[in-house]
Amino acid sequence: SQTIHQWPATLVQPVGSPLSLECTVEGTSNPNLYWYRQAAGRGLQLLFYSVGIGQISSEVPQNLSASRPQDRQFILSSKKLLLSDSGFYLCAKRLAGEAEQFFGPGTRLTVL
Amino acid sequence: QKEVEQNSGPLSVPEGAIASLNCTYSDRGSQSFFWYRQYSGKSPELIMSIYSNGDKEDGRFTAQLNKASQYVSLLIRDSQPSDSATYLCAVNRGGGYQKVTFGTGTKLQVIP
Repeated sequence: SQTIHQWPATLVQPVGSPLSLECTVEGTSNPNLYWYRQAAGRGLQLLFYSVGIGQISSEVPQNLSASRPQDRQFILSSKKLLLSDSGFYLCAKRLAGEAEQFFGPGTRLTVL
Repeated sequence: QKEVEQNSGPLSVPEGAIASLNCTYSDRGSQSFFWYRQYSGKSPELIMSIYSNGDKEDGRFTAQLNKASQYVSLLIRDSQPSDSATYLCAVNRGGGYQKVTFGTGTKLQVIP
């Protein structure tokens, strides 16, 4: 996770407020990037993945969106947070030609 | 049937013993298999990858894969209190973006 940065580390937001979580990776070019959410007592849920700048695929319908404005930057956003959006948000990267995914340190989001 | 199943535990073993963690998966097309360790409040850390039937050893860790039985396991020899964590099994079917499906994890407690 040393080459993947996420901020903020923790966040408390009211219902209905907007959200912006940022992930940046170091070193490699054109990595595949992923956003996961881990809710309390549940497994990791893939939210979005990106194979390149401006290329975003969504795994589940929800009020979240993602963008990749630069090769090593991946952003998760929401216009209006729901209580159910609370969780541990993890950014992961995968290098081209390899199968392993590596995680950043995560952002713990609490929606009140 | 869940795509990746793990016993949630907790699995309690005494210090110095062998801990055995098990995982089954439903997709016969799965190609890559991973074990992640997740300490409480932290992000998952990749500890083992295995791609072919048999055993793969790395230090105190041994991953075992049986594709015919759709079964993958992780053995931890000489368990230490620092091994106490949740262990996530993950399965990759391959393909364009290398989707990885995670189990909900087994909590391991190593008793001093």
